[in-house]
Amino acid sequence: QKEVEQDPGPLSVPEGAIVSLNCTYSNSAFQYFMWYRQYSRKGPELLMYTYSSGNKEDGRFTAQVDKSSKYISLFIRDSQPSDSATYLCAYDGGYQKVTFGTGTKLQVIP
Amino acid sequence: GAGVSQSPRYKVAKRGQDVALRCDPISGHVSLFWYQQALGQGPEFLTYFQNEAQLDKSGLPSDRFFAERPEGSVSTLKIQRTQQEDSAVYLCASSLARRLASKTGELFFGEGSRLTVL
Repeated sequence: QKEVEQDPGPLSVPEGAIVSLNCTYSNSAFQYFMWYRQYSRKGPELLMYTYSSGNKEDGRFTAQVDKSSKYISLFIRDSQPSDSATYLCAYDGGYQKVTFGTGTKLQVIP
Repeated sequence: GAGVSQSPRYKVAKRGQDVALRCDPISGHVSLFWYQQALGQGPEFLTYFQNEAQLDKSGLPSDRFFAERPEGSVSTLKIQRTQQEDSAVYLCASSLARRLASKTGELFFGEGSRLTVL
């Protein structure tokens, strides 16, 4: 069992839709969580990071961590075609290496 | 440029050949990481440097993989006697600080070196 599980998709939505991307993790000791976005043939780039439980909002993006259910979510409001990419959830276990999920491929159709 | 630079972008090797992949991190970044990303998968950790010291190499899949960062700046990932299962994108990332999940600890990735072993 991978430490971070993520539905690979692909997920296809119409422009303007609200997108919900989810991950589950296995180790309750994890505290720092991140979402990375990766465009085709590019390296991942950090979208958001959160610590412990709760919500964090940045523009159209909201990251949510529910430690009781070991669930990480990323919500994208008013999705745009430019949001089409692979979204990787990740955690920092505090040992200087980020562990990534498999990624969910999102396509926003105009 | 100001970002992480990797070369070559694409490499085709015959099985059994040795390859060397180069990473030029952002100037002043202390931490450097190598990741391997297979098709349709997330990046998998290979190794981590803090300055010139290799502090974690637990992700290197075999002793055919070797990484170095002799002067605490440019790093090279070397793969000896390449096998078909080594085909992947090799990503390099650097960060300014030790704490990753913070603004100053953000990982900056290069575009990767895509290795195809025939």
